[in-house]
Amino acid sequence: KQEVTQIPAALSVPEGENLVLNCSFTDSAIYNLQWFRQDPGKGLTSLLLIQSSQREQTSGRLNASLDKSSGRSTLYIAASQPGDSATYLCAVRKETSGSRLTFGEGTQLTVNP
Amino acid sequence: EAQVTQNPRYLITVTGKKLTVTCSQNMNHEYMSWYRQDPGLGLRQIYYSMNVEVTDKGDVPEGYKVSRKEKRNFPLILESPSPNQTSLYFCASRKQRGWDEQFFGPGTRLTVL
Repeated sequence: KQEVTQIPAALSVPEGENLVLNCSFTDSAIYNLQWFRQDPGKGLTSLLLIQSSQREQTSGRLNASLDKSSGRSTLYIAASQPGDSATYLCAVRKETSGSRLTFGEGTQLTVNP
Repeated sequence: EAQVTQNPRYLITVTGKKLTVTCSQNMNHEYMSWYRQDPGLGLRQIYYSMNVEVTDKGDVPEGYKVSRKEKRNFPLILESPSPNQTSLYFCASRKQRGWDEQFFGPGTRLTVL
């Protein structure tokens, strides 16, 4: 059974810092990995999607990497801003067309002005 | 605007009173699913549908029903809600095939007294 772990559970940084959020998964047979952002009481906003054949994806100040063989992904946020404060979730999808996403429990990020 | 919508956004009800949470997407996606999010347990899939009239159980289907009579709609039905179904519910959709990311609705916060 796939398990997804995110470390740390919570992170507080001053504005302007570069930071890395970690995601690990136990079964490397994944189809893709998706990073989401969730604001309090709100839905999930997709940030980046990495296919299993890719090593990284970038969007603005965000860069996500994937090492499928070791079961790890990182989300790098450059020059953090208070508006980046949210919970960040990673989710993996298995190599089947009907398969679900398996989520980690998230990293709660606070960026202090 | 491409989106997944859910209604209601907030609902307080009593044990045993049947309710339906609606979900609709305007992206012509084949695949739709329901998740619940609970503290310490993360997001878990309840049911999913790969296309019209095709539904299947996720990880935590007990106490829930779904139907998929139209491609755009995927309602979640609680025939006899119980307090342990108090949770934050998310509907999601994506294309059945291909590399596409999953889109989530804004969530429905349900409280069962």
